[in-house]
Amino acid sequence: DIQMTQSPSSLSASVGDRVTITCRASQGINNYLAWFQQRPGKAPKSLIYAASSLQSGVPSKFSGSGSGTDFTLTISSLQPEDFATYYCQQYNSYPPTFGQGTKLEIK
Amino acid sequence: EVQLVESGGGLVQPGGSLRLSCAASGFTFRGFWMHWVRQAPGRGLVWVSGIDNDGGSTTYADSVKGRFTISRDNAKNTLYLQMDSLRAEDTAVYYCARDRDGYGPNFDYWGQGALVTVSS
Repeated sequence: DIQMTQSPSSLSASVGDRVTITCRASQGINNYLAWFQQRPGKAPKSLIYAASSLQSGVPSKFSGSGSGTDFTLTISSLQPEDFATYYCQQYNSYPPTFGQGTKLEIK
Repeated sequence: EVQLVESGGGLVQPGGSLRLSCAASGFTFRGFWMHWVRQAPGRGLVWVSGIDNDGGSTTYADSVKGRFTISRDNAKNTLYLQMDSLRAEDTAVYYCARDRDGYGPNFDYWGQGALVTVSS
């Protein structure tokens, strides 16, 4: 199975900040990488797919980049509703696997 | 609007069985692969199982293979997960998720989740 490793595991930031979360795959996954946001007690929500394509309806403050094994999610101008847990997921091969999550907290 | 609504969760004893359902609306259900993903309390997301458009092809995580069965009824726009021989480690919120385009397990819409608790 392909292992996905996110860093950091937690992150403190202030409203208005710009943050970057990284995700590394244990082997090359082309650009078959998705990012999800999960607020407490809620279902995950798709943000980014194909490493850099924005899900319909998701604001452009979210952006993704990368290919191969190294990927990033950047969130600009943080708002209170952005403080949540973020997961990356590879879909290059079965079984699809997720990173352990990055919890974004208000400083 | 795409909607996925899970039902059938609850408390079950170890060794018992439970069937989850996921009612789909707002899209052509028979046109999409569908999946189940679970999340144990306080833990991350783990893919469980997937099924192709017409139910002819299924795939499972090793941890549930031989115990869980995924199926679908395209006439009823409903996805199912039959869970047998349940263990304490199967305790989790189970989400159904739509596969964006069938070229890989890429999830674009998720249900609200159904909690399954396996305990005596």
